[in-house]
Amino acid sequence: EVQLVESGGGLIQPGGSLRLSCAASGFTLTINYMSWVRQAPGKGLEWVSRIYSGGSTYYADSVKGRFTISRDNSKNMVFLQMNSLRAEDTAVYYCARGGVRGGLDVWGQGAAVTVSS
Amino acid sequence: DIQMTQSPSTLSASVGDRVTITCRASQSISSWLAWYQQKPGKAPKLLIYKASGLESGVPSRFSGSGSGTEFTLTISSLQPDDFATYYCQQYNGDSWTFGQGTRVEIK
Repeated sequence: EVQLVESGGGLIQPGGSLRLSCAASGFTLTINYMSWVRQAPGKGLEWVSRIYSGGSTYYADSVKGRFTISRDNSKNMVFLQMNSLRAEDTAVYYCARGGVRGGLDVWGQGAAVTVSS
Repeated sequence: DIQMTQSPSTLSASVGDRVTITCRASQSISSWLAWYQQKPGKAPKLLIYKASGLESGVPSRFSGSGSGTEFTLTISSLQPDDFATYYCQQYNGDSWTFGQGTRVEIK
């Protein structure tokens, strides 16, 4: 079964750092690109970042310079290192797989991140 | 960045109704558009890729059309399981964006 499982969320103070992990099973990460999407409480979806099998990375302007996406193909995992966190980064963060035909075709259950003092 | 504008924001409809949601891009995105369905507390689900491609396992009552800057998602006969929020997403260029969402509620 194709599955994504996020972990690493929690409560963090403003200015702090957090690392989210996404474990993939049922498929090999090297075939697809992977993305992070977030959703603030009661709000819509916001694309955050993506990483391709060749290592190319892209970020939303709102997180550029603060967040870093990476992957460990040997562990079939993707990560999102989040630094200098702000209250507006509070959201559920979803890991998602890039579909070979387009769009994000497999999603994790989400990891909640709360930035508050 | 490319802005995506969905209309309407909320739609009230009855079971069996034909429903159309529109998504407009601030500049041409060719056919690089996806549609998702999201239910409360759940992850989004891919419905349509590349503007009109039906994702595997998605009922045929869902269809997508359009290219360039204007796109539509149509549900031909609304079913009880379809009451949810729908999002469009453009994946053209380096930065991707979602529409603000359209909530489909029971009339």
